Amino acid sequence: GAVVSQHPSRVICKSGTSVKIECRSLDFQATTMFWYRQFPKQSLMLMATSNEGSKATYEQGVEKDKFLINHASLTLSTLTVTSAHPEDSSFYICSAKPGGVKLFFGSGTQLSVL
Amino acid sequence: QKEVEQDPGPLSVPEGAIVSLNCTYSNSAFQYFMWYRQYSRKGPELLMYTYSSGNKEDGRFTAQVDKSSKYISLFIRDSQPSDSATYLCAMNDKAAGNKLTFGGGTRVLVKP
Repeated sequence: GAVVSQHPSRVICKSGTSVKIECRSLDFQATTMFWYRQFPKQSLMLMATSNEGSKATYEQGVEKDKFLINHASLTLSTLTVTSAHPEDSSFYICSAKPGGVKLFFGSGTQLSVL
Repeated sequence: QKEVEQDPGPLSVPEGAIVSLNCTYSNSAFQYFMWYRQYSRKGPELLMYTYSSGNKEDGRFTAQVDKSSKYISLFIRDSQPSDSATYLCAMNDKAAGNKLTFGGGTRVLVKP
């Protein structure tokens, strides 16, 4: 299967700081990437669709200014959690499709805001 | 009512048993069906992908799709402790821009 790399795997930050998470497609180009959020023992919640060279599409209820998405190249999308607060603590996962409908996921980032 | 329903479990089975998982859905527009395995604090891993009704087998895994009943299943034969994970079903609706709709996941525990 296709490889999606996500970094960092874990980050701890102070309240009020910003955190950037990177998502890379290693062996394919991805014009579209997806960002999910997952709370403990719950399923994946789609936050936004990242589009290369254009603005991201956010799901209803997701704050655009809080979760900044940049998809500057065909292999890299970044999610920046701005002015993070404890309620932003969660597991964030990116995904991408090399073509067709199969979706491949990164390994996830556990964000803990103190 | 959720678009995709999946029993959260946990489903506990002895090693070597068959694990039976299923999802029901309400949207008849779903065309593609996938099963993912997720270990704790890891990203989901694609296990099976099916398009049409019927069975698909890959090693110890068998996926079934019954579009008339809006019901999909995943069977794991000769289960191993390493199969202990959360299994998520996912479905695709082309009309919704190829977004995947996920079930809530079933936690499986295979006891040695």
